Amino acid sequence: GQNIDQPTEMTATEGAIVQINCTYQTSGFNGLFWYQQHAGEAPTFLSYNVLDGLEEKGRFSSFLSRSKGYSYLLLKELQMKDSASYLCAAMDSNYQLIWGAGTKLIIKP
Amino acid sequence: GAVVSQHPSWVICKSGTSVKIECRSLDFQATTMFWYRQFPKQSLMLMATSNEGSKATYEQGVEKDKFLINHASLTLSTLTVTSAHPEDSSFYICSASLEGEITEAFFGQGTRLTVV
Repeated sequence: GQNIDQPTEMTATEGAIVQINCTYQTSGFNGLFWYQQHAGEAPTFLSYNVLDGLEEKGRFSSFLSRSKGYSYLLLKELQMKDSASYLCAAMDSNYQLIWGAGTKLIIKP
Repeated sequence: GAVVSQHPSWVICKSGTSVKIECRSLDFQATTMFWYRQFPKQSLMLMATSNEGSKATYEQGVEKDKFLINHASLTLSTLTVTSAHPEDSSFYICSASLEGEITEAFFGQGTRLTVV
């Protein structure tokens, strides 16, 4: 079956770095997406990886290893506004997104 | 990026009534729209895939007679929750994609439905 695993909750300190991991199993693979979702709002797009390696975009970076079925989202210089849920989603061979349950990130001063 | 507008952002209705939620792509033509449901502290659950001009494809366990989906044009899809019950209270989100492209999903703002 298709499955996405990511931690339920993580806590980090303002100004620090945090890495949110995601493992996936899908029927075919057309890329891995990361979204940020604040409570009561729709998800907003953060990153897309389809090739192995690290994609850097400002304070956020995303990594993919296709052979390991593994990705992570790295957030640097954490700010209080980064407190949100982070959703990992893999696109399968039918171009459907398979969603993880989300990781709630709590930032402490 | 492409803009998807969802309306209303929140609605309260009585049990037994029907509620319609609209999802519009404002600056692109969306041949495919997706409807999701999200319960508190849970992930997005795909309810159905809506293709313009054809019947929606429902996920297993989703009642097609209860959740009516219409995608009459390339810019509008609607979800109607019929005979709503309190257990239908949830956050409903639509998204749209560009035909033939692997791109980010463009989400509407979401609709918070409360059935009392």
